[in-house]
Amino acid sequence: EVQLVESGGGLVQPGGSLRLSCAASGVTFSNEWMHWVRQGPGKGLVWVSRINSDGSYTTYADSVKGRFTISRDNAKNTLYLQMNSLGAEDTAVYFCGGGNSGYSRYWGQGTRVTVSS
Amino acid sequence: EVVLTQSPGTLSLSPGERAALSCRASQTINNNYLAWYQQKPGQAPRLLIYGASSRATGIPDRFSGSGSGTDFTLTISRLEPEDFAVYYCQQYTTSLLTFGGGTKVEIK
Repeated sequence: EVQLVESGGGLVQPGGSLRLSCAASGVTFSNEWMHWVRQGPGKGLVWVSRINSDGSYTTYADSVKGRFTISRDNAKNTLYLQMNSLGAEDTAVYFCGGGNSGYSRYWGQGTRVTVSS
Repeated sequence: EVVLTQSPGTLSLSPGERAALSCRASQTINNNYLAWYQQKPGQAPRLLIYGASSRATGIPDRFSGSGSGTDFTLTISRLEPEDFAVYYCQQYTTSLLTFGGGTKVEIK
């Protein structure tokens, strides 16, 4: 069974930084495209970023480009999202997902990020 | 950016009834690169359909997807109690992926 476990969320001040992690098990992580998707309070799903299996290709939503960086460590079966220059609009639950270049076959349960002073 | 518009915003139906959810794209979705997800409160999304009409592993056959071009539909043939949830479409025809705003299927 595939399991994704996100961590690293929390309360951060505006302008601050945070790094999210997503630990994978039950899957050959090094073969999988991975995604980050977020969901603001009471809002819908918003795609954030994706990365290919070896980390050589990444894409970002316009709203986070230049502030967020997706990366992975295949030796540790872990996906990351480095988030800088955070603003209130980044407050959300962040989900990692994977299994395909375009969509997520499996998902983690999410980690909550709150940007507030 | 491809904008996906889902309608209706809320669908009020009874168990056993048929549900038809619409997803309209602002430009052609090539290769039918469209997926549907179900999300229940406090839970992660669950993949239902990919490639516009292919059911994901373990998804009951009462869920079906159809459509092409700019108009797509998710149909639930007979609603079960566990099907009341929010449904999202998502396109992956461009390098920037996008989701629709969601349709909530609620118990009438």
